[in-house]
Amino acid sequence: GAVVSQHPSRVICKSGTSVKIECRSLDFQATTMFWYRQFPKQSLMLMATSNEGSKATYEQGVEKDKFLINHASLTLSTLTVTSAHPEDSSFYICSARDWGDTQYFGPGTRLTVL
Amino acid sequence: AQKVTQAQTEISVVEKEDVTLDCVYETRDTTYYLFWYKQPPSGELVFLIRRNSFDEQNEISGRYSWNFQKSTSSFNFTITASQVVDSAVYFCALSEAPGAGSYQLTFGKGTKLSVIP
Repeated sequence: GAVVSQHPSRVICKSGTSVKIECRSLDFQATTMFWYRQFPKQSLMLMATSNEGSKATYEQGVEKDKFLINHASLTLSTLTVTSAHPEDSSFYICSARDWGDTQYFGPGTRLTVL
Repeated sequence: AQKVTQAQTEISVVEKEDVTLDCVYETRDTTYYLFWYKQPPSGELVFLIRRNSFDEQNEISGRYSWNFQKSTSSFNFTITASQVVDSAVYFCALSEAPGAGSYQLTFGKGTKLSVIP
């Protein structure tokens, strides 16, 4: 149990385009989902906290207009990187919190912006 | 503010050796959660354990064991008879307790474990 999927696993896009990443909790409902960014050989950096049916809470320094988050249901949250630039290239990971207060992580999405 | 320190950046052991990964935390909360996650080269974080702050019992799961010592604010992780498949980056993390807020995780910087055959 407690499986979180993330799609796509890998995406390459041109500078200036937008990319949408989906995060789904497959076998449990998640009122809260989180989006992280991880640079090579570093720890995870929390970008935003997403609660179902409400606006996401962004961490300091994260541009909310650039990283659009939608949490439309108890099993789906999406992150859209708008007008992507090469510096947005990174590994993006989502997590979903279950009713037992444990975060389960998706497999991650490697974004490369050319 | 919460803080998690994993002082060991990288550890290398020979297969079948035991290895302990250290984790020290700081928090002003009286109740909190502690976690360990494994991140293999594939990138996905795998949940290993969650410990409530009021439960100081040590836990064993197969070759894995965890030693929670509230007096020293430590939550160490030991792998017995290590195997090559244990090679990964291991993260210790801390979160607020129920009802305290958003359950955000504060991660340590991770310890990269390499098990040499």
